Amino acid sequence: DVVMTQSPLSLPVTLGQPASISCRSSQSLVHSNGNTYLYWFQKRPGQSPRRLIYRVSNRDSGVPDRFSGSGSGTDFTLKISRVEAEDVGIYYCLQGTHWPTFGGGTKVEIK
Amino acid sequence: EVQLVESGGGLVQPGGSLRLSCAASGFTFRNFWMTWVRQTPGEGLEFVANINEDGSQKYYVDSVKGRFTISRDNAKNSLYLQMDSLRVEDTAVYYCVRDVGYQDYDAWGQGTQVTVSS
Repeated sequence: DVVMTQSPLSLPVTLGQPASISCRSSQSLVHSNGNTYLYWFQKRPGQSPRRLIYRVSNRDSGVPDRFSGSGSGTDFTLKISRVEAEDVGIYYCLQGTHWPTFGGGTKVEIK
Repeated sequence: EVQLVESGGGLVQPGGSLRLSCAASGFTFRNFWMTWVRQTPGEGLEFVANINEDGSQKYYVDSVKGRFTISRDNAKNSLYLQMDSLRVEDTAVYYCVRDVGYQDYDAWGQGTQVTVSS
């Protein structure tokens, strides 16, 4: 199976400051059809996971534009341009190109 | 509005069984693959099983093969997960998830807690 490695495990951030989460895959996530099936999810405390980004860089409707996704091949990044209190939670990447596997999660907290 | 509502979780002894249900509404259920994803106490997320639109294709993570059975009833807009021979390591919150293609999980239920303990 493809291993998804997220870093850091924990990310203390000052309100208003940027944050960046890395997700690396053990194999290329480029599908034979040319698409890359890499997604980002947010899980706030007490809530279900919510998709933020699909296919690397497409933001879901209703997701603030301070969230952005980028990357290619085996190296992907989720960025929050200015962290707000409501962004506290655990962030997961997921690849759907091969048998589905999630990253281990990155816990974002306010300093 | 897409809604997925799970039920059927609870406390069960090792070796026991549970049947999870997921009631779907707000979309044409029979047109979508559906998936069960679980979140373990350590907070990791794991794909458990999925099923295609008409129920003819089913896939399972290795750790549940032969013990869990995914099924659906399109007439009732419902997804199920029959869990037998439960183990302590199956303890998790189980989510019903809509897949819009290539494991693109765009809608999640609120989850149902399954605890396996003696």
